[in-house]
Amino acid sequence: AQKVTQTQTSISVVEKTTVTMDCVYETRDSSYFLFWYKQTASGEIVFLIRQDSYKKENATVGHYSLNFQKPKSSIGLIITATQIEDSAVYFCAMREDSNNRIFFGDGTQLVVKP
Amino acid sequence: DPKIIQKPKYLVAVTGSEKILICEQYLGHNAMYWYRQSAKKPLEFMFSYSYQKLMDNQTASSRFQPQSSKKNHLDLQITALKPDDSATYFCASSRHRDRVAEQFFGPGTRLTVL
Repeated sequence: AQKVTQTQTSISVVEKTTVTMDCVYETRDSSYFLFWYKQTASGEIVFLIRQDSYKKENATVGHYSLNFQKPKSSIGLIITATQIEDSAVYFCAMREDSNNRIFFGDGTQLVVKP
Repeated sequence: DPKIIQKPKYLVAVTGSEKILICEQYLGHNAMYWYRQSAKKPLEFMFSYSYQKLMDNQTASSRFQPQSSKKNHLDLQITALKPDDSATYFCASSRHRDRVAEQFFGPGTRLTVL
């Protein structure tokens, strides 16, 4: 069965530092896609970054990067040089190639303090 | 200008009534989706449509019926409302159904059933 697990409920960091959020997933498909979204305080859900299962290189977009460890079914999100406005709930998500449902984790609340 | 419009933003209904949640996207996408987010559960996939055809339905109850009158519209009709239906309903869209494509989310409709 498909499952996405985020064990960190909440993380607090000081701005300008680097933070890593963990995510592990379960799937029987050999081809799948992993996503990170953030949900702001207003409720808006914003797509951040994607990793395709067949790509070995870790994806990077702006100050977001991924730590993809396929043997461990793990896809961590790394945010460098955090800013106050990065404070949000971050969701890890997975879509299998065999369908287009996205399965979301429970989310990790990130608080960036000055 | 907003690319995905959901109406209304807030909706209060009484138990047993019927409501329609509106979604329009102006991203030129041909696949659209509905998700639900409640306090008890993370973001849950409900339906997917591609070229106005239902592709996937993960909602057990027939009280939830998506309706697509135009390619860029996917409304959600909910009948015989129950308090457990209280949640924020998000519409999403993507470029393709069968290819890798991240989904973009609308601002959501927060439904409260009394």
